[in-house]
Amino acid sequence: RKEVEQDPGPFNVPEGATVAFNCTYSNSASQSFFWYRQDCRKEPKLLMSVYSSGNEDGRFTAQLNRASQYISLLIRDSKLSDSATYLCVVNEGSGNTPLVFGKGTRLSVIA
Amino acid sequence: NAGVTQTPKFQVLKTGQSMTLQCAQDMNHNSMYWYRQDPGMGLRLIYYSASEGTTDKGEVPNGYNVSRLNKREFSLRLESAAPSQTSVYFCASSVRGDQPQHFGDGTRLSIL
Repeated sequence: RKEVEQDPGPFNVPEGATVAFNCTYSNSASQSFFWYRQDCRKEPKLLMSVYSSGNEDGRFTAQLNRASQYISLLIRDSKLSDSATYLCVVNEGSGNTPLVFGKGTRLSVIA
Repeated sequence: NAGVTQTPKFQVLKTGQSMTLQCAQDMNHNSMYWYRQDPGMGLRLIYYSASEGTTDKGEVPNGYNVSRLNKREFSLRLESAAPSQTSVYFCASSVRGDQPQHFGDGTRLSIL
């Protein structure tokens, strides 16, 4: 089974800090990459897609490194509302094969 | 926009009872999925349906059956519930397998 590995954390950071998470994947044929956010006792929600050229959405920046098979998520100027679990998601290279979800990295932003 | 709708939201069963969890999506997605998530754990894929008329086992299919009733609906059935099946169940859908999945808000199932 192909794997998606994440540091489970928790990452405890003060408000305003910059924090970065990495995620490694094992299938070199993977073509689609995403970051999801999951709040406690809620469903996962798509945060952003990760493109080969990277992707930026406000305070959030995602990068892909195909050579080393990892993706990253950078959060700048952390807010209390950023506290959540962040899931790394990768496809296994086939259009109909389900995405593989990492177990998530927990972030707590502290006042 | 309803998105992915799951019913019921909460359910308590006794060991040995049967139960069907319902899921419907209104986004004209081809693929649908059932996951379970235990406290402090990641998502585990139970079954999925890549397209209408097909179903496939995921990581943890034992004790479950599924039906892709039509393009919109994908149900999950527990024939004889066991305490180990106490969990939060999420249904999701996507245009196809390599595209983002959209999740329902979950069914919290407790089996006594």
